[in-house]
Amino acid sequence: TQLLEQSPQFLSIQEGENLTVYCNSSSVFSSLQWYRQEPGEGPVLLVTVVTGGEVKKLKRLTFQFGDARKDSSLHITAAQPGDTGLYLCAGQGGSEKLVFGKGTKLTVNP
Amino acid sequence: KAGVTQTPRYLIKTRGQQVTLSCSPISGHRSVSWYQQTPGQGLQFLFEYFSETQRNKGNFPGRFSGRQFSNSRSEMNVSTLELGDSALYLCASSLDQAGGLTDTQYFGPGTRLTVL
Repeated sequence: TQLLEQSPQFLSIQEGENLTVYCNSSSVFSSLQWYRQEPGEGPVLLVTVVTGGEVKKLKRLTFQFGDARKDSSLHITAAQPGDTGLYLCAGQGGSEKLVFGKGTKLTVNP
Repeated sequence: KAGVTQTPRYLIKTRGQQVTLSCSPISGHRSVSWYQQTPGQGLQFLFEYFSETQRNKGNFPGRFSGRQFSNSRSEMNVSTLELGDSALYLCASSLDQAGGLTDTQYFGPGTRLTVL
């Protein structure tokens, strides 16, 4: 079974700070996705990375896929209260449709 | 386009009962997947249906089953409920264009099941 380890599990920061969330595995994934989930809602896809070493930017969010396609990171610059939520990484590559990490619960305080 | 809808949104059952949850995918989407989300285990894959056939299955006991209808709508059933089945059950649909690597899944809001 492929596993994805996310860290940190919880993160509470002040508005304007930067942060990085990590997603690591001992398995290779054909693609890796990042989702954001808010209370009472399902996860919403932020980005998909496919190529080892790939870097994608989405406004203040930067996503990186490791060269070996086993790890990924999400960096948020100048976090805002609206960034608060549960961030999930998910890998695609085995018999399961998607394997999810347990998530990072981010709170950005005004 | 309407998003993925799930019914009911909330459900309370007692141990030993059975429950059926429903999912209507986005129009035109052929793949429907189900996930269980708990605070301890996070999101775990249950199964995926495509063209009325179960295509992939996660590591859950046989008490968890599902089906897909010709209009792509899907149901999942949990029999002989246990306290540990309390969770948010999420349904996701995708176009599944040739099972591509970047097939985007769109999630519904989930059904919150509480087993007493």
